[in-house]
Amino acid sequence: DGGITQSPKYLFRKEGQNVTLSCEQNLNHDAMYWYRQDPGQGLRLIYYSQIVNDFQKGDIAEGYSVSREKKESFPLTVTSAQKNPTAFYLCASSSGTGDYNEQFFGPGTRLTVL
Amino acid sequence: QKEVEQNSGPLSVPEGAIASLNCTYSDRVSQSFFWYRQYSGKSPELIMSIYSNGDKEDGRFTAQLNKASQYVSLLIRDSQPSDSATYLCAVPNSGYSTLTFGKGTMLLVSP
Repeated sequence: DGGITQSPKYLFRKEGQNVTLSCEQNLNHDAMYWYRQDPGQGLRLIYYSQIVNDFQKGDIAEGYSVSREKKESFPLTVTSAQKNPTAFYLCASSSGTGDYNEQFFGPGTRLTVL
Repeated sequence: QKEVEQNSGPLSVPEGAIASLNCTYSDRVSQSFFWYRQYSGKSPELIMSIYSNGDKEDGRFTAQLNKASQYVSLLIRDSQPSDSATYLCAVPNSGYSTLTFGKGTMLLVSP
């Protein structure tokens, strides 16, 4: 059963803590993406990776870090430098590029700072 | 980077009516567009891709692309309460393999 999984579904973080969100896909897609969604807002791109061992900053990369050691996995770390991390985090993947960049989303992780 | 504009709504329609959702974009180069549906508390789901001028139909959904006027629309025929969701329009950013998303239009279909 192909798809994208994200874990955990809900995550609570204390001030000053780093937390890592997991994203795994078995669709054999080359590209993977991390977005953040705040209430009433659109999707904002944090980081993306088009190939293993390579990734690029998106529009709001400050306070976040990623790695892409395997094609299937693209974990996101929310560091203590991210001052307002409470949001809905979405991971996506795509097999296409350019105009054929259909992205498919995982179920998301809802992060709350206590 | 492209700008993608959508009316935030909510757009309210009665069950059985046609719902019309619109999206305008700033870049004349855009060749393709994607429509996503997002239920409250859930992740976006791709429901339609359109790559050329004109209409594309898929079941009750029709996407219309007008490159000259720089807008794309999504028509939902025979709207159902289960269509109540936020609909996001997305446009590829040429050369970057990324998408720019609109903020979405909330659709409410009343029984």
